[in-house]
Amino acid sequence: GAVVSQHPSWVICKSGTSVKIECRSLDFQATTMFWYRQFPKQSLMLMATSNEGSKATYEQGVEKDKFLINHASLTLSTLTVTSAHPEDSSFYICSARGLAGEQFFGPGTRLTVL
Amino acid sequence: AQSVTQLGSHVSVSEGALVLLRCNYSSSVPPYLFWYVQYPNQGLQLLLKYTTGATLVKGINGFEAEFKKSETSFHLTKPSAHMSDAAEYFCAVSDETGTASKLTFGTGTRLQVTL
Repeated sequence: GAVVSQHPSWVICKSGTSVKIECRSLDFQATTMFWYRQFPKQSLMLMATSNEGSKATYEQGVEKDKFLINHASLTLSTLTVTSAHPEDSSFYICSARGLAGEQFFGPGTRLTVL
Repeated sequence: AQSVTQLGSHVSVSEGALVLLRCNYSSSVPPYLFWYVQYPNQGLQLLLKYTTGATLVKGINGFEAEFKKSETSFHLTKPSAHMSDAAEYFCAVSDETGTASKLTFGTGTRLQVTL
């Protein structure tokens, strides 16, 4: 099956700094990628839909200026958490849409903000 | 609005025993339903999906699920658990065509398989 990677898998940062998370489709091109956030013992919550070459579509309640999404190529989407605070600590998961429409998920990135 | 409820955040079964993971959904339109599995440090993998047609859906690794509209359920079963089935399982619902549309996930059920 198609493989999606995320980097880094785990990051710790100080409050106020920015963190960039990469999502790559390794063996296929994805015009659409999705970014999810998962709190402990809670659902995956869709944050935004990332479309190659255009602006991301954010879900209600997600601050687009805080969670910057860039989808500059067909194999890479990045999520930047700007001015991170402890409440941003979470597990961030991306998925990439394949040609047949199925979503392939990355392994996730655990962000801890001190 | 759609929602998914997974009863039991943690299920433990003996190897060889029946696996039953419960999922109930809420949807104002005919739903598309999915089960995903997540192994430690790996991404979510699609186990099976229901869109239309036969209500009993067979997936990978011997899992199957049955869509019951009257009960708004889509429970996941496997006749005989294997140690390798230990993982986190997520039920999800979508109201749009295909698996590329927005997914609403349940909170997940961690399956433990004991000897």
